Amino acid sequence: EDQVTQSPEALRLQEGESSSLNCSYTVSGLRGLFWYRQDPGKGPEFLFTLYSAGEEKEKERLKATLTKKESFLHITAPKPEDSATYLCAVRSDSWGKLQFGAGTQVVVTP
Amino acid sequence: DGGITQSPKYLFRKEGQNVTLSCEQNLNHDAMYWYRQDPGQGLRLIYYSQIVNDFQKGDIAEGYSVSREKKESFPLTVTSAQKNPTAFYLCASSHGQSNQPQHFGDGTRLSIL
Repeated sequence: EDQVTQSPEALRLQEGESSSLNCSYTVSGLRGLFWYRQDPGKGPEFLFTLYSAGEEKEKERLKATLTKKESFLHITAPKPEDSATYLCAVRSDSWGKLQFGAGTQVVVTP
Repeated sequence: DGGITQSPKYLFRKEGQNVTLSCEQNLNHDAMYWYRQDPGQGLRLIYYSQIVNDFQKGDIAEGYSVSREKKESFPLTVTSAQKNPTAFYLCASSHGQSNQPQHFGDGTRLSIL
């Protein structure tokens, strides 16, 4: 059974204080690892897809990396608008079923 | 603008009542999904549909039912058999058998009266 564990559960950062979120996964055959951002009371917003170990993707202050066992989401010089819950999910079948982690709640203070 | 519309945003259920959550997409996606989100837990898959008139149970289908009569629509009924229905329900869609990501609506929050 696919499993996804995210850490830490919550992260409080000062504006400009860079940090990383971890997503550890166990999957029979990875067909994609997905990062989403979720604001309170909203649906998840797609950020990145990673497919193979060594792959990296960047968007503004966010950078996602992938190894054979885990993925990291690096937040560089965060701003208060980066405050959100970040969700990681893995896909192992051909029809797009995703297994989600519980998320990391990030709060960035001015 | 293309997207996924969920309605209503808030819904209240009385004991013994069935309620239906609406999900409509205009992204021309083949696949649609329903998830349940509880505080401190990840999204859990309730049902999914790969094509019209076909759907499969997810990990927590008991107490729920769905239909897929049109490509654009995938309504979810929370039946009286679901004893703990209070949660945030999310609908998603994707291009199905591809590596494209799922895109989500803004959810329906269901509470018990």
